[in-house]
Amino acid sequence: KAGVTQTPRYLIKTRGQQVTLSCSPISGHRSVSWYQQTPGQGLQFLFEYFSETQRNKGNFPGRFSGRQFSNSRSEMNVSTLELGDSALYLCASSISPREQETQYFGPGTRLLVL
Amino acid sequence: DAKTTQPPSMDCAEGRAANLPCNHSTISGNEYVYWYRQIHSQGPQYIIHGLKNNETNEMASLIITEDRKSSTLILPHATLRDTAVYYCLHGGSARQLTFGSGTQLTVLP
Repeated sequence: KAGVTQTPRYLIKTRGQQVTLSCSPISGHRSVSWYQQTPGQGLQFLFEYFSETQRNKGNFPGRFSGRQFSNSRSEMNVSTLELGDSALYLCASSISPREQETQYFGPGTRLLVL
Repeated sequence: DAKTTQPPSMDCAEGRAANLPCNHSTISGNEYVYWYRQIHSQGPQYIIHGLKNNETNEMASLIITEDRKSSTLILPHATLRDTAVYYCLHGGSARQLTFGSGTQLTVLP
C-alpha cells in the first residue's frame, strides 16, 4: 500500500506570494492533518480535516488555510508569505479522527521563502 | 502543553540493543505514549505506542513504568538505518501531535 504522498517536495517563493501544497493520504485513510516543522519551533499542528470538514485548528494566523476533497486528498494554502513561513510542511493521514488513531506522515514539502 | 524529557543524544553500536529513555511525569491516566522517529529531512515515522502495558511490534519494544511517568523504547538490534531523531510524546489529544527536541540516536559501525 502506498504511503502518504506530498507535492511538491521543494518550493521556493518570495515574500508576499501565496502557495498551495497538496497531500494524498494512504488509501482508505479519511483523516488528514497538517503540521509545520521548523528548527526553532519544532513540530506544530496546523489543522485536521475529516469528511471535507475542518475538525481542529492550531494556533496559526488566517493566512494558513486548508481544505479536503471528497476523495480525502487535501490541500493547504498559505497567502501573503512571510520569511518565517519557511519550514517543512508535513501531512499525516489516519483511518479516522478517533482519538488514538495512529497518524502516518508523508515526506513533507520544504518551503523556502526569500 | 504536555512535556517530555529525553536525552539530546545517544550512541549505539551496530547490532546491539538501543535503549532510549523518556520521562513524561505529567502524563494523565488516559493518555497514550507515542514514539516516532525522523530521519534527516524526511517525514516522521510512527514506531509504537502504548498505554500501560509493555508493547512490542516488528520495529521495537516499549516498556512503560508502572507509575507511567517514564518509558523506554528498545530497538533490539540497531542498524545504521536506525540513525535518526527519536521523539517520545503524549498529549491531551493524540490528534494534535507535539514533538519535543527528541534524542539523536547515532548507530556506529
